[in-house]
This record gives sequence, C-alpha cells and structure tokens, in this order.
Amino acid sequence: QVHLVESGGGLVKPGGSLRLSCAASGFSFIDYYMTWIRQAPGKGLEWVSSSSRSGSTSYYADSVKGRFTISRDNAKNELYLQMSSLRAEDTAVYYCARDGGLINYFYYMDVWGVGTTVAVSS
Amino acid sequence: QSALTQPASVSGSPGQSITISCTGTSSDIGTYDSVSWYQQHAGKAPKLMIYEVTNRPSGVSNRFSGSKSGNTASLTISGLQAEDEGHYYCSSYTASSILVVFGGGTKVTVL
Repeated sequence: QVHLVESGGGLVKPGGSLRLSCAASGFSFIDYYMTWIRQAPGKGLEWVSSSSRSGSTSYYADSVKGRFTISRDNAKNELYLQMSSLRAEDTAVYYCARDGGLINYFYYMDVWGVGTTVAVSS
Repeated sequence: QSALTQPASVSGSPGQSITISCTGTSSDIGTYDSVSWYQQHAGKAPKLMIYEVTNRPSGVSNRFSGSKSGNTASLTISGLQAEDEGHYYCSSYTASSILVVFGGGTKVTVL
C-alpha cells in the first residue's frame, strides 16, 4: 500500500522556522519526484516546491523562494521542507505528494498524504 | 486570483451529467497535455481523478472523463451520485517559474 505521512506542523510566530517531514512507504521512493503543495484555510491548492529524484535539483514557487528549502533522504524514504522567515500567509495545510510522471514531471500528483497544519500567528 | 479559471459552483440532480470547465492560456493548457483533476472532500486530502487530460487512474469510476479544447479543459461527471459532492480542482504544468498552476476550485453539489 502506497502511503505518505506528513509530520512537523504546528503553531509558530511570524519570523520563526519549522521543519516538515514526509515519510513514504509502499513504493520505490528514489524513482519519483516529490512535491509539497499547500492549502490555506478555505482556499484552493498552491504548489510550493518539488524535488528531483536524487534531490540535486529543487524547484520553488516565487512566494517561498529564499525562505523554504526542500530536501530528501532516499535512504530513509523521507522528504523534508525547511521553512524559515514564516509569515501569516504561510498558514495552511501542507501536503506531501508524489509526482506521477516518470518522463514528464509536474504533470500530476498521483499520491497525496493527509497533510500537516502550519499556523503562523503571534 | 488563481492562474486557471474554474466556475465557483456547479450542481446537478442524481443521474444527471455535469461539466466543469477550466480555462488557462497558451502557456499552460493550450500547449501541454498536462491537465489533471483532483477531487477533495471536506477535511480530506485531494484525490487524483484525471491525469494528462483524459486518463483515469486505476480505481476511479469511468463516470469521470476529461477533455481539452484550445486553452480550456473540462471534467465531466456522468450519472451524478451523492458521493460526488465536494470540491474539484484542475491543474496544469506551465512554462513559467511557477511550474504547476491550479484552478480556484469548483464546488459540486448534488441536489
């Protein structure tokens, strides 16, 4: 059974930092690009960041570039999102998702975790 | 404002068919066969329903179908059922720094 389980969310003050983790199981983690997508309360989905299979290439939305860092540990089957200089507008449920493409990347996310909630407030 | 435009809501009676549109530009939907559709029930994670415009993942009902014409993609749900209620989001790859764009979401109501 393919599973993604996020952890690390919580309440943090503006300007603070948080590290999210995503544990993958049931598939060959190293074979897939992995992505973080977030959803602010009552809002739609927003792509945040993606990692290549090896982790050597990272991609970021303009809204988080320079503040967030995506990384992965293929030996542990884990994906991470280090978030710093957090703002109120970063408040959202953060989903870890598997990029389903094996040739064309960023086309679709075929497996999603249940999400972890990040709240940025003083 | 979302990069892809969807109607805020669509409704239909059980057994009817409904279609949700998703309008983009020549930088995304118009050029790439990368449209995907996601279903999200309240408080749950999104679920992939259609990928690469017309393909259904294993386990997704054949009542769901996708299409594209020009810069607009569509999701059709036929034989509408109560369990189809929820929000539906379209997405596409885009030739910009954003890489992945989503629609604002459409709330589907079964009357």
